Amino acid sequence: DVKVTQSSRYLVKRTGEKVFLECVQDMDHENMFWYRQDPGLGLRLIYFSYDVKMKEKGDIPEGYSVSREKKERFSLILESASTNQTSMYLCASSFRVGTEAFFGQGTRLTVV
Amino acid sequence: AQRVTQPEKLLSVFKGAPVELKCNYSYSGSPELFWYVQYSRQRLQLLLRHISRESIKGFTADLNKGETSFHLKKPFAQEEDSAMYYCALKGGSEKLVFGKGTKLTVNP
Repeated sequence: DVKVTQSSRYLVKRTGEKVFLECVQDMDHENMFWYRQDPGLGLRLIYFSYDVKMKEKGDIPEGYSVSREKKERFSLILESASTNQTSMYLCASSFRVGTEAFFGQGTRLTVV
Repeated sequence: AQRVTQPEKLLSVFKGAPVELKCNYSYSGSPELFWYVQYSRQRLQLLLRHISRESIKGFTADLNKGETSFHLKKPFAQEEDSAMYYCALKGGSEKLVFGKGTKLTVNP
């Protein structure tokens, strides 16, 4: 059974804090993704990675960075959290070609 | 650029009625297309993908390259089909993008 695990289910942070969201997968997937999910806006891709130390910007990378030092772990970093980054964050992973993405349970981040 | 459009935010049908969730895409190459579903309080999960040409839980979807569409259909909706449905597209760069989603409600 594929497991994608996000480190926190709920997180409350203050404006200006540096925030780390962690995601770990156990299926040796090459690809990993970070999305934010907002009502009416669907899933918007923040960053993705297709290999260790490789990353590409998604559609809304501003205010975020990522790190992938090991194949199984993909971290999303909010350098200076702002209230408009309050959202549900979803991590996903997949093999390279033609296969499904498996999702984590999500982290609901509130920035106050 | 890769783009997925789901024109309906909300769709409400009665049990036993046919249902069609629309998805249109924009991509210059050969896309891989998927439908994902998120039931209440559950993780997002794959429902079906166009390359498999399979029927899952009675749902089917056909890729129409001429109309750049990948609509999801089911002839007889069930109450347990109530969920959020997302159409997704993967292009050549491994980038996986989603539409805004359609919330399907099947009424008894």
